[in-house]
Amino acid sequence: GAVVSQHPSRVICKSGTSVKIECRSLDFQATTMFWYRQFPKQSLMLMATSNEGSKATYEQGVEKDKFLINHASLTLSTLTVTSAHPEDSSFYICSALDRISGNTIYFGEGSWLTVV
Amino acid sequence: AQSVTQPDIHITVSEGASLELRCNYSYGATPYLFWYVQSPGQGLQLLLKYFSGDTLVQGIKGFEAEFKRSQSSFNLRKPSVHWSDAAEYFCAVGTNDYKLSFGAGTTVTVRA
Repeated sequence: GAVVSQHPSRVICKSGTSVKIECRSLDFQATTMFWYRQFPKQSLMLMATSNEGSKATYEQGVEKDKFLINHASLTLSTLTVTSAHPEDSSFYICSALDRISGNTIYFGEGSWLTVV
Repeated sequence: AQSVTQPDIHITVSEGASLELRCNYSYGATPYLFWYVQSPGQGLQLLLKYFSGDTLVQGIKGFEAEFKRSQSSFNLRKPSVHWSDAAEYFCAVGTNDYKLSFGAGTTVTVRA
């Protein structure tokens, strides 16, 4: 079946640095991808919608200059956390919309970010 | 705006017993409804989804869910749970543009 891959699965970075997380749809083209974050023992919150070839749309309260999203191709979206701080430590998970297979949404494995 | 309520934070069930997880949603239009399962430290796996049609939806791993519009509910059931079903379960409602709003999740513990 369709697979969405995220990389890296775990990353530790120093406070003030930037870190990039990749989300790839492996066997289908995804013009639309979504980025969520999940704090420990909490639910997932939508951060932004990533649209291939256009700017991402961000949910209210999400800083677009801090969480840079680039959807450069039909199979790749990247989330860059800029000037990371410890409070950005979270589980970031992407999903991709497969419009061909009945508009099915597939989630990646998630990426654990720890900012020290 | 849409929202999802999962009333049960934690459920413990014996292996072989039946399981039902509750989900209530709030959405002005016809909802797209999903159930996902998340194992510790893992991503989400789609169990089943409802877009339209038959209100009883069959999913993977022996799960099913029933959409009841009158009750704004989409409860998940499994007749006989296995130890491997221990996980976090999330109900979600989707909009026309496929943005998902998730419930808080229900942790399922399976005892031998």
